[in-house]
Amino acid sequence: ETAVFQTPNYHVTQVGNEVSFNCKQTLGHDTMYWYKQDSKKLLKIMFSYNNKQLIVNETVPRRFSPQSSDKAHLNLRIKSVEPEDSAVYLCASSDYEQYFGPGTRLTVL
Amino acid sequence: TQTVSQSDAHVTVFEGDSVELRCNYSYGGSIYLSWYIQHHGRGLQFLLKYYSGNPVVQGVNGFEAEFSKSDSSFHLRKASVHWSDSAVYFCAVRTGGYKVVFGSGTRLLVSP
Repeated sequence: ETAVFQTPNYHVTQVGNEVSFNCKQTLGHDTMYWYKQDSKKLLKIMFSYNNKQLIVNETVPRRFSPQSSDKAHLNLRIKSVEPEDSAVYLCASSDYEQYFGPGTRLTVL
Repeated sequence: TQTVSQSDAHVTVFEGDSVELRCNYSYGGSIYLSWYIQHHGRGLQFLLKYYSGNPVVQGVNGFEAEFSKSDSSFHLRKASVHWSDSAVYFCAVRTGGYKVVFGSGTRLLVSP
């Protein structure tokens, strides 16, 4: 049963454009994450929010910015995308286990 | 800094075989270990976890894992695999904070 929802499923854009990805969880958790998964399936944490507060901010380019309106929503904005941003972006909600959404596949042409 | 190593990038077995997927970690303090499965085109799904107590933990679909402090390991096992177990498996380590580190994944292929 899906409890972490991500939109869109896919997004194709050109270098320099701005994109936004949305994530919503219905599990009542306080903590949410954004991960980037590359073509080799390597999974890297980008950001984590706990109850709307940023608590983990890994070394990612400044064009990436998370946005949280409440603890059930965590969006990701990328200003001026680059080719290396092509990846699957996974959102997760957590108490201790992580509950993942289906991912958003970004292709930058 | 915690690290997670999954030494086998690919494992191929036949349906009905047993399988062990290896995970080694490095961290000196209390940790929370877990395994996740990712089918093609999907997000990761939780399989099982260990924090304390019995070092052998049971998960969904017949998976189990054994924690070893002396070996710094948390290997995943299944006695008899099914073709639907073909997927990528990730080991993950979480310390007392919110940061989670995932291994590089092991792709399991189960041949009929």
